[in-house]
Amino acid sequence: DAMVIQNPRYQVTQFGKPVTLSCSQTLNHNVMYWYQQKSSQAPKLLFHYYDKDFNNEADTPDNFQSRRPNTSFCFLDIRSPGLGDAAMYLCATSRVAGLLYEAFFGQGTRLTVV
Amino acid sequence: AQSVTQLDSQVPVFEEAPVELRCNYSSSVSVYLFWYVQYPNQGLQLLLKYLSGSTLVKGINGFEAEFNKSQTSFHLRKPSVHISDTAEYFCAVKETSGSRLTFGEGTQLTVNP
Repeated sequence: DAMVIQNPRYQVTQFGKPVTLSCSQTLNHNVMYWYQQKSSQAPKLLFHYYDKDFNNEADTPDNFQSRRPNTSFCFLDIRSPGLGDAAMYLCATSRVAGLLYEAFFGQGTRLTVV
Repeated sequence: AQSVTQLDSQVPVFEEAPVELRCNYSSSVSVYLFWYVQYPNQGLQLLLKYLSGSTLVKGINGFEAEFNKSQTSFHLRKPSVHISDTAEYFCAVKETSGSRLTFGEGTQLTVNP
């Protein structure tokens, strides 16, 4: 029944080694978000896709990239992870239409950098 | 640009007591408002939302919130809390004309026996 699925739930990567986090959805929503959440902090929006349009936040480091090959999948690439990138990464979807405007979240991927 | 301020970072209460978690927002245009709950090591779950119409909205788990446009507030309330309500609560805002969803800093609600 999971509607927004993030894989893996836990990821350990080495300092400087590229890593990719994945998100898939079965809701056919046209908006997909990536958030970074550090311990006891609010989710921080990194970027989002509105259909194929990519919207980057002004303060998102260049080290973070994203791909959305189709409606169902979205990837977060961290090109050279640093210790400061250790966090929970949350994927969410929403639909900008009708009366459904809330975001649906996945369970998150907890990234550890060693 | 939109922003959200949650006025209390931590709220401790006793079981069966009422609680209010405060949220103020800032935006130059009309917005949609949301409250989410997050349990440890989990994603966020929607509690309730305000899109339009009645300013008092009811959500899951006995929570409700009131939208006050003049005070730009969207406070969350529950008349009687349970131990299981212990969690982090986030207020969020989205402009009606956009897709960007912004969160407040969160309020940790701790319900003590």
